[in-house]
Amino acid sequence: EADIYQTPRYLVIGTGKKITLECSQTMGHDKMYWYQQDPGMELHLIHYSYGVNSTEKGDLSSESTVSRIRTEHFPLTLESARPSHTSQYLCASSPGGGRELFFGEGSRLTVL
Amino acid sequence: EDQVTQSPEALRLQEGESSSLNCSYTVSGLRGLFWYRQDPGKGPEFLFTLYSAGEEKEKERLKATLTKKESFLHITAPKPEDSATYLCAVQTDGATNKLIFGTGTLLAVQP
Repeated sequence: EADIYQTPRYLVIGTGKKITLECSQTMGHDKMYWYQQDPGMELHLIHYSYGVNSTEKGDLSSESTVSRIRTEHFPLTLESARPSHTSQYLCASSPGGGRELFFGEGSRLTVL
Repeated sequence: EDQVTQSPEALRLQEGESSSLNCSYTVSGLRGLFWYRQDPGKGPEFLFTLYSAGEEKEKERLKATLTKKESFLHITAPKPEDSATYLCAVQTDGATNKLIFGTGTLLAVQP
């Protein structure tokens, strides 16, 4: 059983609000990821981190930002949410070395 | 450009009716191929990793195989609880520790 947690699971907010999606893992993994998934579509990598104070943008352009101040914590922030940000956001971690990614349950964001 | 294609998009089976899901890939250098199961509203759950052509992995009613161009997920005598979306992903030599996902196959097993 993977120990990676995302909050909130569901969030409905108005346009222009600032939101932070939380992601924490207790496995001590250095590598963490944020993927975005729309219904019926593939997962797209939007941010990743290979360790504390390391963050990179993924293959899909995103207006969100991330931070990695502690190994176990990798929050994602949207400064001003728009309806186009409505999606499911999945956080994952990995021990690296070609090993699998462990995913959280996801945060489903709806921006009205 | 690295690409992963899964087929069929959706598959409906009767309980006990065996079948296979396909994942074809075009990548510059394959480091590993991953299969995940995803239930509605949840995150993907890891099933298998395959690293080289000819490799096979099994777990209960599922068996994954790998060739140089594609992978198959064979489902033997499926049960309704096997209903889910099955995702294939690849990790390439040029981008280790990142996964490129296909769009998945939605499997429905009817009792």
